Amino acid sequence: DAGVIQSPRHEVTEMGQEVTLRCKPISGHNSLFWYRQTMMRGLELLIYFNNNVPIDDSGMPEDRFSAKMPNASFSTLKIQPSEPRDSAVYFCASSPIAWSKKGYEQYFGPGTRLTVT
Amino acid sequence: GIQVEQSPPDLILQEGANSTLRCNFSDSVNNLQWFHQNPWGQLINLFYIPSGTKQNGRLSATTVATERYSLLYISSSQTTDSGVYFCAVERDDSWGKFQFGAGTQVVVTP
Repeated sequence: DAGVIQSPRHEVTEMGQEVTLRCKPISGHNSLFWYRQTMMRGLELLIYFNNNVPIDDSGMPEDRFSAKMPNASFSTLKIQPSEPRDSAVYFCASSPIAWSKKGYEQYFGPGTRLTVT
Repeated sequence: GIQVEQSPPDLILQEGANSTLRCNFSDSVNNLQWFHQNPWGQLINLFYIPSGTKQNGRLSATTVATERYSLLYISSSQTTDSGVYFCAVERDDSWGKFQFGAGTQVVVTP
Protein backbone atom coordinates (compact mmCIF):
# COMPACT_ATOMS: atom_id res chain seq x y z
CA ASP A 1 0.00 0.00 0.00
CA ALA A 2 1.37 3.40 -0.99
CA GLY A 3 0.09 5.19 2.09
CA VAL A 4 -1.28 8.72 2.10
CA ILE A 5 0.43 10.83 -0.54
CA GLN A 6 0.84 14.58 -0.24
CA SER A 7 2.28 17.09 -2.64
CA PRO A 8 4.26 19.20 -2.73
CA ARG A 9 6.49 18.20 0.19
CA HIS A 10 7.81 21.74 0.50
CA GLU A 11 6.34 25.00 -0.71
CA VAL A 12 7.82 28.45 -0.42
CA THR A 13 5.69 31.32 -1.61
CA GLU A 14 5.31 35.04 -1.20
CA MET A 15 2.60 36.69 0.80
CA GLY A 16 -0.54 37.21 -1.24
CA GLN A 17 -0.02 34.23 -3.53
CA GLU A 18 -2.43 31.34 -3.83
CA VAL A 19 -1.25 28.02 -2.43
CA THR A 20 -2.77 24.62 -3.21
CA LEU A 21 -1.86 21.54 -1.23
CA ARG A 22 -2.82 18.11 -2.51
CA CYS A 23 -3.63 14.80 -0.89
CA LYS A 24 -4.31 11.30 -2.15
CA PRO A 25 -5.78 9.10 0.59
CA ILE A 26 -5.15 5.40 0.97
CA SER A 27 -7.22 3.48 -1.55
CA GLY A 28 -10.47 2.28 0.00
CA HIS A 29 -10.44 4.81 2.81
CA ASN A 30 -13.55 6.95 2.86
CA SER A 31 -12.66 9.53 5.49
CA LEU A 32 -10.08 12.26 5.00
CA PHE A 33 -8.73 14.80 7.46
CA TRP A 34 -6.61 17.95 7.06
CA TYR A 35 -4.41 19.08 9.99
CA ARG A 36 -2.00 21.92 10.56
CA GLN A 37 1.03 21.74 12.87
CA THR A 38 2.78 24.76 14.32
CA MET A 39 5.07 25.21 17.28
CA MET A 40 2.62 27.54 18.97
CA ARG A 41 -0.61 25.60 18.48
CA GLY A 42 0.53 22.03 17.97
CA LEU A 43 -1.57 19.75 15.75
CA GLU A 44 -4.96 21.20 14.87
CA LEU A 45 -7.77 19.59 12.90
CA LEU A 46 -8.87 21.91 10.10
CA ILE A 47 -11.56 19.98 8.25
CA TYR A 48 -12.66 16.43 7.58
CA PHE A 49 -14.61 14.66 4.88
CA ASN A 50 -16.59 11.46 4.78
CA ASN A 51 -17.44 9.92 1.42
CA ASN A 52 -16.18 13.12 -0.23
CA VAL A 53 -18.59 15.32 1.74
CA PRO A 54 -17.25 17.92 4.20
CA ILE A 55 -18.50 17.01 7.66
CA ASP A 56 -16.96 19.67 9.86
CA ASP A 57 -14.90 22.68 8.83
CA SER A 58 -15.04 24.49 12.16
CA GLY A 59 -11.27 24.26 12.45
CA MET A 60 -10.61 26.20 9.28
CA PRO A 61 -9.00 29.40 10.53
CA GLU A 62 -10.35 31.92 8.04
CA ASP A 63 -12.24 32.34 4.80
CA ARG A 64 -8.89 32.40 3.06
CA PHE A 65 -8.78 28.64 3.59
CA SER A 66 -10.89 26.26 1.53
CA ALA A 67 -10.86 22.50 0.97
CA LYS A 68 -12.43 20.25 -1.59
CA MET A 69 -12.70 16.55 -2.24
CA PRO A 70 -13.95 16.09 -5.79
CA ASN A 71 -13.57 12.31 -5.67
CA ALA A 72 -12.55 9.52 -3.35
CA SER A 73 -8.89 9.65 -4.34
CA PHE A 74 -8.09 13.35 -4.24
CA SER A 75 -8.42 16.36 -1.97
CA THR A 76 -7.05 19.88 -2.02
CA LEU A 77 -6.49 22.52 0.62
CA LYS A 78 -6.23 26.02 -0.81
CA ILE A 79 -5.06 29.22 0.84
CA GLN A 80 -5.84 32.43 -1.02
CA PRO A 81 -4.29 34.87 -0.34
CA SER A 82 -1.50 33.37 1.75
CA GLU A 83 0.02 35.19 4.73
CA PRO A 84 3.24 34.61 6.70
CA ARG A 85 1.24 33.31 9.67
CA ASP A 86 0.03 30.43 7.50
CA SER A 87 3.54 28.99 7.58
CA ALA A 88 3.22 25.51 9.07
CA VAL A 89 3.30 21.83 8.23
CA TYR A 90 0.01 20.67 6.76
CA PHE A 91 -0.87 17.01 7.17
CA CYS A 92 -3.50 14.96 5.44
CA ALA A 93 -4.78 11.76 7.07
CA SER A 94 -7.22 9.09 5.96
CA SER A 95 -9.25 6.44 7.70
CA PRO A 96 -11.13 3.36 6.49
CA ILE A 97 -14.25 3.95 8.49
CA ALA A 98 -17.60 5.42 7.61
CA TRP A 99 -19.42 8.21 9.33
CA SER A 100 -20.38 7.59 12.95
CA LYS A 101 -18.78 4.17 13.13
CA LYS A 102 -16.47 3.57 16.04
CA GLY A 103 -13.08 2.01 16.18
CA TYR A 104 -10.76 3.23 13.50
CA GLU A 105 -7.24 4.50 12.97
CA GLN A 106 -6.06 7.54 11.12
CA TYR A 107 -3.06 7.22 8.85
CA PHE A 108 -1.03 10.33 8.16
CA GLY A 109 0.76 11.48 5.06
CA PRO A 110 4.30 12.92 5.16
CA GLY A 111 3.05 16.50 5.32
CA THR A 112 3.68 19.65 3.30
CA ARG A 113 5.96 22.23 4.84
CA LEU A 114 4.64 25.64 3.79
CA THR A 115 6.68 28.80 4.17
CA VAL A 116 5.09 32.12 3.29
CA THR A 117 7.53 35.02 3.10
CA GLY B 1 -13.77 20.68 23.77
CA ILE B 2 -11.94 17.79 25.30
CA GLN B 3 -8.65 18.52 27.08
CA VAL B 4 -5.66 16.27 26.49
CA GLU B 5 -2.62 16.56 28.72
CA GLN B 6 0.59 14.69 28.17
CA SER B 7 3.40 14.27 30.64
CA PRO B 8 6.25 14.72 30.96
CA PRO B 9 6.74 17.38 28.28
CA ASP B 10 10.38 16.37 27.82
CA LEU B 11 12.32 13.23 28.56
CA ILE B 12 16.00 12.44 28.17
CA LEU B 13 16.93 8.80 28.32
CA GLN B 14 20.12 6.83 28.09
CA GLU B 15 20.01 4.01 25.59
CA GLY B 16 18.65 0.88 27.25
CA ALA B 17 16.50 2.70 29.80
CA ASN B 18 12.78 2.21 30.25
CA SER B 19 10.20 4.98 30.42
CA THR B 20 6.49 5.70 30.80
CA LEU B 21 4.60 8.46 29.03
CA ARG B 22 1.17 9.52 30.22
CA CYS B 23 -1.90 10.94 28.50
CA ASN B 24 -4.81 12.29 30.56
CA PHE B 25 -8.07 13.29 28.95
CA SER B 26 -11.03 15.16 30.32
CA ASP B 27 -14.00 13.33 28.83
CA SER B 28 -15.22 9.95 27.64
CA VAL B 29 -13.58 8.86 24.41
CA ASN B 30 -14.27 6.24 21.78
CA ASN B 31 -10.95 6.55 20.07
CA LEU B 32 -7.40 6.98 21.29
CA GLN B 33 -4.23 6.70 19.28
CA TRP B 34 -0.54 7.04 20.09
CA PHE B 35 1.77 8.42 17.40
CA HIS B 36 5.49 8.87 17.11
CA GLN B 37 6.70 11.87 15.15
CA ASN B 38 10.22 11.07 14.05
CA PRO B 39 12.94 13.69 13.55
CA TRP B 40 11.94 13.92 9.87
CA GLY B 41 8.43 14.94 10.83
CA GLN B 42 6.60 11.76 9.83
CA LEU B 43 3.69 10.79 12.08
CA ILE B 44 3.77 7.06 12.64
CA ASN B 45 0.92 5.07 14.14
CA LEU B 46 1.96 3.22 17.26
CA PHE B 47 -1.29 2.05 18.80
CA TYR B 48 -5.02 2.35 18.38
CA ILE B 49 -6.09 1.74 21.97
CA PRO B 50 -9.39 3.19 23.26
CA SER B 51 -9.21 0.66 26.10
CA GLY B 52 -7.14 -2.27 27.32
CA THR B 53 -3.51 -3.15 26.75
CA LYS B 54 -1.50 -3.78 23.60
CA GLN B 55 2.11 -4.61 22.94
CA ASN B 56 4.26 -4.20 19.87
CA GLY B 57 7.88 -5.17 20.34
CA ARG B 58 9.51 -2.90 22.90
CA LEU B 59 6.47 -0.67 23.06
CA SER B 60 3.28 -1.28 24.94
CA ALA B 61 0.27 0.83 25.83
CA THR B 62 -2.53 0.69 28.34
CA THR B 63 -5.70 2.77 28.39
CA VAL B 64 -7.99 2.90 31.42
CA ALA B 65 -10.97 4.59 29.86
CA THR B 66 -12.98 4.77 33.08
CA GLU B 67 -10.19 6.75 34.72
CA ARG B 68 -9.45 8.77 31.58
CA TYR B 69 -5.80 8.08 31.04
CA SER B 70 -3.47 6.14 28.81
CA LEU B 71 0.15 5.10 29.29
CA LEU B 72 2.82 4.36 26.71
CA TYR B 73 5.75 2.24 27.84
CA ILE B 74 9.09 2.24 26.08
CA SER B 75 11.43 -0.53 27.17
CA SER B 76 15.13 -0.88 26.35
CA SER B 77 15.07 2.47 24.56
CA GLN B 78 17.11 2.98 21.41
CA THR B 79 18.29 6.16 19.71
CA THR B 80 15.69 5.54 17.00
CA ASP B 81 13.00 6.06 19.65
CA SER B 82 13.87 9.75 19.74
CA GLY B 83 11.15 12.12 18.59
CA VAL B 84 7.83 13.41 19.84
CA TYR B 85 5.12 11.08 21.09
CA PHE B 86 1.55 12.27 20.68
CA CYS B 87 -1.66 11.05 22.15
CA ALA B 88 -4.83 11.83 20.16
CA VAL B 89 -8.39 11.28 21.33
CA GLU B 90 -11.83 11.50 19.83
CA ARG B 91 -14.59 12.37 22.24
CA ASP B 92 -17.43 9.90 22.51
CA ASP B 93 -20.00 12.24 20.97
CA SER B 94 -17.78 14.01 18.44
CA TRP B 95 -17.04 11.64 15.58
CA GLY B 96 -13.99 12.65 13.61
CA LYS B 97 -12.90 15.52 15.84
CA PHE B 98 -9.55 14.35 17.05
CA GLN B 99 -7.79 16.38 19.71
CA PHE B 100 -4.05 16.00 20.01
CA GLY B 101 -2.02 16.49 23.15
CA ALA B 102 1.02 18.74 23.14
CA GLY B 103 3.32 15.74 22.97
CA THR B 104 6.29 14.38 24.90
CA GLN B 105 9.69 15.15 23.38
CA VAL B 106 11.95 12.13 23.89
CA VAL B 107 15.69 12.19 23.36
CA VAL B 108 17.58 8.92 23.66
CA THR B 109 21.31 9.33 24.02
CA PRO B 110 23.88 6.64 23.15
